[in-house]
Amino acid sequence: DAGVIQSPRHEVTEMGQEVTLRCKPISGHDYLFWYRQTMMRGLELLIYFNNNVPIDDSGMPEDRFSAKMPNASFSTLKIQPSEPRDSAVYFCASRRGLLNTEAFFGQGTRLTVV
Amino acid sequence: GESVGLHLPTLSVQEGDNSIINCAYSNSASDYFIWYKQESGKGPQFIIDIRSNMDKRQGQRVTVLLNKTVKHLSLQIAATQPGDSAVYFCAENAGGSYIPTFGRGTSLIVHP
Repeated sequence: DAGVIQSPRHEVTEMGQEVTLRCKPISGHDYLFWYRQTMMRGLELLIYFNNNVPIDDSGMPEDRFSAKMPNASFSTLKIQPSEPRDSAVYFCASRRGLLNTEAFFGQGTRLTVV
Repeated sequence: GESVGLHLPTLSVQEGDNSIINCAYSNSASDYFIWYKQESGKGPQFIIDIRSNMDKRQGQRVTVLLNKTVKHLSLQIAATQPGDSAVYFCAENAGGSYIPTFGRGTSLIVHP
């Protein structure tokens, strides 16, 4: 398996623009997580899905953030409109099962909002 | 106002030394713990895990110790190599849904 695949690897956008980050989890994994990493706050969980259903989105910072998982092999994280403080590295991770299993991370998308 | 960055604890060691990275976790109900390694420009990668019914687990060159009494984890790396230079995170699976919650991380710098 190629692992968790995220695209794009880097994104530079202007304030106010819409940004869409993409993730392909590992086949067979039923949990998908979106994390954000910044120097200020470290690794924060934004939202997670189980069997394509959003379970907990309490980590999503504002209504400008939304995430979808239309099928088991694809998820998106959208920011609209983007702001400079959204600049961070966004990671997607997937996991098989609930108990005692590790999450596998993608390479991340480095987002810069200018 | 002035922004305060997340100043990671840093451990500097010489190549060949043993390294010990410590982590305090927050939730006494957590029953599964993972150490991740994050190299520059990459996502976190699994190193080793341990369940709460154990107090020690060994892998290749790595050992994790768990002390539930004081909610403390440690990662020991034997014969540290320059390739071990990275940020190390402990994660606890907490809550009913076992969602990985990450600590702040420790930066390990290995000098050749």
